[in-house]
Amino acid sequence: NAGVTQTPKFRVLKTGQSMTLLCAQDMNHEYMYWYRQDPGMGLRLIHYSVGEGTTAKGEVPDGYNVSRLKKQNFLLGLESAAPSQTSVYFCASSPPLRQGTEAFFGQGTRLTVV
Amino acid sequence: GDSVTQMEGPVTLSEEACLTINCTYTATGYPSLFWYVQYPGEGLQLLLKATKADDKGSNKGFEATYRKETTSFHLEKGSVQVSDSAVYFCALMYNAGNMLTFGGGTRLMVKP
Repeated sequence: NAGVTQTPKFRVLKTGQSMTLLCAQDMNHEYMYWYRQDPGMGLRLIHYSVGEGTTAKGEVPDGYNVSRLKKQNFLLGLESAAPSQTSVYFCASSPPLRQGTEAFFGQGTRLTVV
Repeated sequence: GDSVTQMEGPVTLSEEACLTINCTYTATGYPSLFWYVQYPGEGLQLLLKATKADDKGSNKGFEATYRKETTSFHLEKGSVQVSDSAVYFCALMYNAGNMLTFGGGTRLMVKP
């Protein structure tokens, strides 16, 4: 019953360091997403993918890159971390979006950039 | 662009009190509407949804009705429990679209 699994769960980075967040889903979903959650701002979409080998920008893509080399994995990279990227990051997956399609979320990664 | 506006929290209630969390949206078409809930330390999970005007979504004693005329999808529960303490997110999605658009979230705290 894994669903959507995010790695790591917590991380502290120094400004300028790089890191990759890994998202894995075992539901054979076509669509995958990365969101960031900031107080009072809800969830904002960073990047998403509608299938293996495809990615697209969301609402707040600057400073992030993504890759979807395998259908079950969606990686989020920070090349040079900044304090403004301190946030909680959520990965989600879903079937192709139709009327009322449900998205499934991971437990989140809390990232602090100092 | 599309947007979702929720009442700001936190909302603090005593057990068995009535709950209403307001949600209004701005959209050019006819989206599907959702309420997601985030319990402490967990990811979001779907609470209920409605896909067309006048539909009522319900789950775990919570209800919300898709009101096209007022562009609203308010979340209601007649009697809250301590276990309902969580953050609640209203969201919209277009059919065959590529993303969910979320409101800012409303934290609910229920005291015994």
